[in-house]
Amino acid sequence: ELKVEQNPLFLSMQEGKNYTIYCNYSTTSDRLYWYRQDPGKSLESLFVLLSNGAVKQEGRLMASLDTKARLSTLHITAAVHDLSATYFCAVDNGMDSNYQLIWGAGTKLIIKP
Amino acid sequence: NAGVTQTPKFRILKIGQSMTLQCTQDMNHNYMYWYRQDPGMGLKLIYYSVGAGITDKGEVPNGYNVSRSTTEDFPLRLELAAPSQTSVYFCASSLAGKQFFGPGTRLTVL
Repeated sequence: ELKVEQNPLFLSMQEGKNYTIYCNYSTTSDRLYWYRQDPGKSLESLFVLLSNGAVKQEGRLMASLDTKARLSTLHITAAVHDLSATYFCAVDNGMDSNYQLIWGAGTKLIIKP
Repeated sequence: NAGVTQTPKFRILKIGQSMTLQCTQDMNHNYMYWYRQDPGMGLKLIYYSVGAGITDKGEVPNGYNVSRSTTEDFPLRLELAAPSQTSVYFCASSLAGKQFFGPGTRLTVL
């Protein structure tokens, strides 16, 4: 059974600092997704990582995937207040999964001015 | 394009009542999903569909039912509502794995 673990689950940081959120998963998968959720809102796709070594960047966020280690990271560079949100990783549940995703519990990120 | 739309936005049900949560997408996606999100948690898959007429159970299907008569619509039916079904429900459609979410329905069962 595929399990997805994120850490930390809660992160409070100052503007301007760098930090990394980790997403570990328990069985082989080549497809991993990062989403953002603002309080009381829906989920917005950030990154789609489809192969080992994939790296995607958008603004101050960079995501990477190491399928051998079963690990993805979401790195925040020089954080700004607007990046405060909950970040979820989700992993495809296998070749015949019909794109079913197993979700991490989320990392609530608070960035203080 | 409106994307994925859901109605209603909010609903309060009494224990034992039934209701249907509506979901419509205008992107012609074959894959659609229903999730529930409990406070402070990730998403749990309730049901999914790979095309009109084809549905299957996810992780937490008990107490729910779905149908998919058209590509656009994927309603979720709650029968005999229970307090444990208090949650936020999200509908999503998918293109090659990337999922697009509706705004959600916040349901309270009292």
